[in-house]
Amino acid sequence: DSGVTQTPKHLITATGQRVTLRCSPRSGDLSVYWYQQSLDQGLQFLIQYYNGEERAKGNILERFSAQQFPDLHSELNLSSLELGDSALYFCASSVLAGVEQFFGPGTRLTVL
Amino acid sequence: DQQVKQNSPSLSVQEGRISILNCDYTNSMFDYFLWYKKYPAEGPTFLISISSIKDKNEDGRFTVFLNKSAKHLSLHIVPSQPGDSAVYFCAASARGAGSYQLTFGKGTKLSVIP
Repeated sequence: DSGVTQTPKHLITATGQRVTLRCSPRSGDLSVYWYQQSLDQGLQFLIQYYNGEERAKGNILERFSAQQFPDLHSELNLSSLELGDSALYFCASSVLAGVEQFFGPGTRLTVL
Repeated sequence: DQQVKQNSPSLSVQEGRISILNCDYTNSMFDYFLWYKKYPAEGPTFLISISSIKDKNEDGRFTVFLNKSAKHLSLHIVPSQPGDSAVYFCAASARGAGSYQLTFGKGTKLSVIP
């Protein structure tokens, strides 16, 4: 158990809908990262937050957004969903100075 | 353009023998490298890392070697055990450039045969 929690574990929705994925980092970690793993793809970095502020952006679509709240949990919002958005979405956390990111169990999103 | 490549999608090794997983990278800014292990239905688990100032790091049965001139790293597992069967991801970051995001390879599925 990495100490990072993600909810829900599974999510099935329809095209055009909007969903919110939630992540709670390990106790004491200020930085949260979101990654997407599509079929046959490695993990793709989406976005990083540190202590409530956005720090880095990767290959994140404009239809996707995220935020980190004062209690340090983070949410990833996916809107106008398309079939191609079906993937595993992982959250990871770390102290900023360290690079060892600890991953949650992921949320499997299926868009029908 | 893939900046981190794991050219072997799968590898089978006999229990007790050495497993060698390889990884190549193209971005010269990468200065920190990590290996993660992933079981089905779980998130990746951090295994071992190495800074670009070193060429070897060892932790129990796991050793990572870094060849900067060849932009190549490898993970050695000795001896291999059936519980090591998982997908192994190589990852890299450019800490010196202030970037902590990880760039991952596509993974190598290791099967350790009893």
